[in-house]
Amino acid sequence: DIVMTQTPLSLSVTPGQPASISCKSSQSLLDSDGGTYLYWFLQKPGQPPQVLIYEVSNRFSGVPERFSGSGSGTDFTLRISRVEAEDVGVYYCMQSIQHPKTFGQGTKLEIK
Amino acid sequence: EVHLVESGGGLVQPGGSLRLSCAASGFAFSSYWMTWVRQAPGKGLEWVGNINKDGSDTYFVDAVKGRFTISRDNAKTSMYLQMNSLRAEDTAVYYCARDVRYFDSWGQGTLVTVFS
Repeated sequence: DIVMTQTPLSLSVTPGQPASISCKSSQSLLDSDGGTYLYWFLQKPGQPPQVLIYEVSNRFSGVPERFSGSGSGTDFTLRISRVEAEDVGVYYCMQSIQHPKTFGQGTKLEIK
Repeated sequence: EVHLVESGGGLVQPGGSLRLSCAASGFAFSSYWMTWVRQAPGKGLEWVGNINKDGSDTYFVDAVKGRFTISRDNAKTSMYLQMNSLRAEDTAVYYCARDVRYFDSWGQGTLVTVFS
């Protein structure tokens, strides 16, 4: 199984400041079809998860431009350019290049 | 609008069985893979398994292989998770989600508690 490792596991950010979360996979997520199957989700308190970014760097419909994703191979990053109060929750990366699909441990973001 | 509603959760003793349902609406259900994801209390997300469009193929995480099965009824736009030989570590909120290689729509979840 592919192991997804996120750092840090928690983050405390002042509103308006940037934030960054790293996600490393134990195997390359670059498929033979050219796609890289790495995704980012946010689970706000008391809610189901919601997708933010698909295939490394594509913002899902309705996701604010302050969220961006980058990376390749085994190293990926989610960045929030200016954190807002509504961004609190737990962020997860996930791979779907192979079954079983696996998530990172989650990164809890709180506002200072 | 995509709408997913899970049901069937509850309390069950170790070794018991439970069947969860996921009722879907707002999209062409038979054209999509579907997935189950679970979240133990205070823990992270764990993908449980998924099913292809016509129900002929399923995949599972090792922790549930041989104990859980997934099925679907496209006429009823519903997916099911049959859970047998339940263990304390299966206690979790179970979410169904539309699977487009990632999970673009999620239900609100149903809680399964396995206790002795």
